[in-house]
Amino acid sequence: EAGVAQSPRYKIIEKRQSVAFWCNPISGHATLYWYQQILGQGPKLLIQFQNNGVVDDSQLPKDRFSAERLKGVDSTLKIQPAKLEDSAVYLCASSQGGRALFGPGTRLTVL
Amino acid sequence: DAKTTQPPSMDCAEGRAANLPCNHSTISGNEYVYWYRQIHSQGPQYIIHGLKNNETNEMASLIITEDRKSSTLILPHATLRDTAVYYCIVRVLQGAQKLVFGQGTRLTINP
Repeated sequence: EAGVAQSPRYKIIEKRQSVAFWCNPISGHATLYWYQQILGQGPKLLIQFQNNGVVDDSQLPKDRFSAERLKGVDSTLKIQPAKLEDSAVYLCASSQGGRALFGPGTRLTVL
Repeated sequence: DAKTTQPPSMDCAEGRAANLPCNHSTISGNEYVYWYRQIHSQGPQYIIHGLKNNETNEMASLIITEDRKSSTLILPHATLRDTAVYYCIVRVLQGAQKLVFGQGTRLTINP
């Protein structure tokens, strides 16, 4: 099966700029997750979708982060404006049932 | 709000069995134990999951205690490529429960 696709793989921006990440989950997977992983730490769940509805976004910094999942398929995660502490790898995953499959991630560097 | 406790790091000699423990004393009756691993610079990879019976697949074996309060992931013949961070997670099989990672165990396989 095709894996979870993410783009871009790498992004370098300056603080206060905006950035967007894209995720294409595995076909038919109802659940989609966005994680932030800072170097040396475990992945931190930012937002979880079930189809196109939000299940949990309690850890999403809503003053600067936003996410949407149009038509219950692809998803975008946006940061506006970015801060230095947003430098991290952003992981997207999808699942149908309990077994989640992860994409390769987007490495964001904020200067 | 991870519900599991794992040692931060472990070492194992190449060719030996690696036994990774996990405590999940507050696990609910309908929650499964999942194991993922993350090799450097990659997204987490699913390994195995189980409810109460021991499970085995081509990657590993999962031993769950009778009271289900702890489990052990066994890599029977560890290789250098098994060096990774291993995460133990408990969650229900279906539905919209969050997929929350803790800090995991950093397993180093030594030649």
